[in-house]
Amino acid sequence: AQSVTQLDSQVPVFEEAPVELRCNYSSSVSVYLFWYVQYPNQGLQLLLKYLSGSTLVKGINGFEAEFNKSQTSFHLRKPSVHISDTAEYFCAVSDGEGLTGGGNKLTFGTGTQLKVEL
Amino acid sequence: DAMVIQNPRYQVTQFGKPVTLSCSQTLNHNVMYWYQQKSSQAPKLLFHYYDKDFNNEADTPDNFQSRRPNTSFCFLDIRSPGLGDAAMYLCATSRDRTRRAGEETQYFGPGTRLLVL
Repeated sequence: AQSVTQLDSQVPVFEEAPVELRCNYSSSVSVYLFWYVQYPNQGLQLLLKYLSGSTLVKGINGFEAEFNKSQTSFHLRKPSVHISDTAEYFCAVSDGEGLTGGGNKLTFGTGTQLKVEL
Repeated sequence: DAMVIQNPRYQVTQFGKPVTLSCSQTLNHNVMYWYQQKSSQAPKLLFHYYDKDFNNEADTPDNFQSRRPNTSFCFLDIRSPGLGDAAMYLCATSRDRTRRAGEETQYFGPGTRLLVL
């Protein structure tokens, strides 16, 4: 079974500072990686995903992530954060096969709470 | 805009009193999922539908059931809610293709927060 580790449960950062949210996953033959953001009392919104090709993936709201196969990592970065980036960030993994009955099983990490302060 | 809608956003029920949460989508996706997310935890898949085919996760309690009467709607029924069932329930959809199902993005609704008294 897949697993995802987000070591940092909370990351405080000042506005306009850079930030990195760490994500490590269990190795698999083929794996797809996702970052979702969850604002308070809302559902999850896709930030970006890695399927194949270039290891640097650009997403919405100025976020990017780098896939590192040798380190089984998919860290999320933003060069300059804004107050509005305060939210919970979830890393997720799915395997290439999908679910037996169709569809796609996402295994989520426990999330990282990003708190941007003035 | 195409979207995933969940009603109600907040639901209060009594211990042991059946409750139904609803989800609808305008994306015309053939796969719909229900996740349970407890406070400060990762979302956990309960089950999903591929068209009308129901697929239960092995560790989903029997207390949780689901119905999908058509492509657009999906319901989560909790037959006898316990205090431990208080959580955010997230509905999601995805478009499934025969190949590479694992790469499809899931689109989430805003969730229903369930409180059990």
